[in-house]
Amino acid sequence: EDQVTQSPEALRLQEGESSSLNCSYTVSGLRGLFWYRQDPGKGPEFLFTLYSAGEEKEKERLKATLTKKESFLHITAPKPEDSATYLCAVLLESWGKLQFGAGTQVVVTP
Amino acid sequence: DVKVTQSSRYLVKRTGEKVFLECVQDMDHENMFWYRQDPGLGLRLIYFSYDVKMKEKGDIPEGYSVSREKKERFSLILESASTNQTSMYLCASSQSSGMGTDTQYFGPGTRLTVL
Repeated sequence: EDQVTQSPEALRLQEGESSSLNCSYTVSGLRGLFWYRQDPGKGPEFLFTLYSAGEEKEKERLKATLTKKESFLHITAPKPEDSATYLCAVLLESWGKLQFGAGTQVVVTP
Repeated sequence: DVKVTQSSRYLVKRTGEKVFLECVQDMDHENMFWYRQDPGLGLRLIYFSYDVKMKEKGDIPEGYSVSREKKERFSLILESASTNQTSMYLCASSQSSGMGTDTQYFGPGTRLTVL
C-alpha cells in the first residue's frame, strides 16, 4: 500500500531557529514529490516539485531535498510569517494520483 | 497566475439536502480534482476529471457525484447530505502534459457544515 508519512506532526520554533521537516514515502513508483504550504482556512499553495533523488529546490528561506525514500523541507532562519501547515504529496505512477501526507504544522514565534 | 475559484467559502446545509459545490479554473487545464480534507486524515481524493464529460472515482466517491460540462468548470454534488460529509472541500486543477507530472493548483476551499 502506498504511504506518505510526515514528521513531526507539529513544530514550534523561535524566530531564527532553523529546522527540518520530514516526508517519508513507500510507493510503488514515484513520478514526483510536491511540497505545499497551507494557511488556516485556505487551500494549499504550491511550493516545490522534485522529480529525482539528489534534486534540490530553494525559495527564500525554504529548501527541499529528495532521496529515494524521503524528502526534507529545511526552513532556515524562519520568521513568524512562515507559520503554516506544510504538506507533502507524492505523484504515483499509476495514473498521476497525488498521495498526501497528513502535514506538519509549524508555528514560529517572535 | 493560475486561478482556481470555488463558489462558496462557507456553507451550512441540513441533512438530506442536495448540495452543489462549484469550481472554476481560468488556465485551460485539462485535469480537475475534488478532495476533502479532515483533521488527521489529510487530503483524500473524491473524484477527478481529465476531460469534459469524463470523470473517474477517487478513493472516497461514496455519497458524491460530479459534473463537468465545460472545461473550466467542475461541480461536486452531494445527493443527500449527511453529517459525516461535514468537511473542507478543495478543488484543484492541473495541465496534462502526457508525463503526468504537472502541479495541481488548489482553490481556496469550501468549509461545509451539515447539521
